Amino acid sequence: GAGVSQSPSNKVTEKGKDVELRCDPISGHTALYWYRQSLGQGLEFLIYFQGNSAPDKSGLPSDRFSAERTGGSVSTLTIQRTQQEDSAVYLCASSLEPRDTQYFGPGTRLTVL
Amino acid sequence: SQQGEEDPQALSIQEGENATMNCSYKTSINNLQWYRQNSGRGLVHLILIRSNEREKHSGRLRVTLDTSKKSSSLLITASRAADTASYFCATDGAGGTSYGKLTFGQGTILTVHP
Repeated sequence: GAGVSQSPSNKVTEKGKDVELRCDPISGHTALYWYRQSLGQGLEFLIYFQGNSAPDKSGLPSDRFSAERTGGSVSTLTIQRTQQEDSAVYLCASSLEPRDTQYFGPGTRLTVL
Repeated sequence: SQQGEEDPQALSIQEGENATMNCSYKTSINNLQWYRQNSGRGLVHLILIRSNEREKHSGRLRVTLDTSKKSSSLLITASRAADTASYFCATDGAGGTSYGKLTFGQGTILTVHP
């Protein structure tokens, strides 16, 4: 079956612009996670969804970051007023249930100029 | 913060040799997962081992877990050039509030020379 997909694969934006990153999880997976990977910080957890609710937003680095999930499926991560330190690869993962194996998408490489 | 610390940071071996990577962590876990990453993009899941398990195998991969020492190891036997990648351990913390979010180590860069 299809794996986790993310779009766009690459995004270049100017400082101060807003960006939206999309994640399509594996069909039927109830749990969805966003992580980001940067040179200085390694792989960091951002937010977790169970269904459409987000019980854990503890990893979002600032209030410029928000995410939503609709229909228990697609999720979008929005970064407002992007800064250069937001440049990273943003990874989405899904699992059948929380605490099961997480399957990762290919990521979106965000570059903020 | 990084829960897992991996050792070594880089490993260079010849094809056919075995590669062993170690991971240590600080807090109690529900499970520990190993991932492979090529070229800084998507992570490929290798093995999940739960806190009540001590060893798991998958093909040429063998993972051990010692919860008393808070450590895990990944062994790749008979390595191939295609195994060249970065390998990460990730822990799912114990306790009701973790919801399965993973905390990653810094990774081990494995290079297998043909």
